[in-house]
Amino acid sequence: QVQLQESGPGLVKPSETLSLTCTVSGGSITYYYWSWIRQPPGKALDWIGHIYYSGSTKYNPSLKSRVTISVDTSKNQFSLKLSSVTAADTAVYYCARSPSSTWADYWGQGALVTVSS
Amino acid sequence: QSVLTQPPSVSGAPGQRVTISCTGSSSNIGAGYDVHWYQHLPGTAPKFLIFDNSNRPSGVPDRFSGSKSGTSASLAITGLQAEDEADYYCQSYDSRLIGWVFGGGTKLTVL
Repeated sequence: QVQLQESGPGLVKPSETLSLTCTVSGGSITYYYWSWIRQPPGKALDWIGHIYYSGSTKYNPSLKSRVTISVDTSKNQFSLKLSSVTAADTAVYYCARSPSSTWADYWGQGALVTVSS
Repeated sequence: QSVLTQPPSVSGAPGQRVTISCTGSSSNIGAGYDVHWYQHLPGTAPKFLIFDNSNRPSGVPDRFSGSKSGTSASLAITGLQAEDEADYYCQSYDSRLIGWVFGGGTKLTVL
């Protein structure tokens, strides 16, 4: 059974960079797309972007200037960096596996990241 | 405000059938992009329910079914059970926004 686990700081200061890592267990990171999705409090899910195991990426245009997603196949991990964060970036951040790049079949439990000084 | 519109809540008694609608536009569902559905209990990992409008992943009971027509899609749940009480989200692709879009979520209450 594939499992995903998000990890990283739960508190980030405004203007700094949010960094999260997703560790994949129970399966290989190769031959799949890997996504990041977030949910601000009381709001809908919001797609951040995804990366193919080979390293090609696609980002939400509204976040593209601030987002970097990378993959480390040797560690079976992929990561999210979101720069210049504001309070509007406070959300539960989910990582997920996307076999076809259009939907996600396995998700992590989510990591709450709060942006506050 | 979400790109895909879902009712905020639906409810039904155990054993009954409920449907959850997901309304989009000509740049997403109406453009022919597929709709996918997820079940989410807060604090847990979202569960994949339906892909490509009407296909169930292995392990999802056949009580869950999906359909799509025009600019809308629906998720139907028959034989409601207490364990079905959760939030449900639809998702598709939008050619104008160039990325995945989600509905605002529907809270299902089993009475």
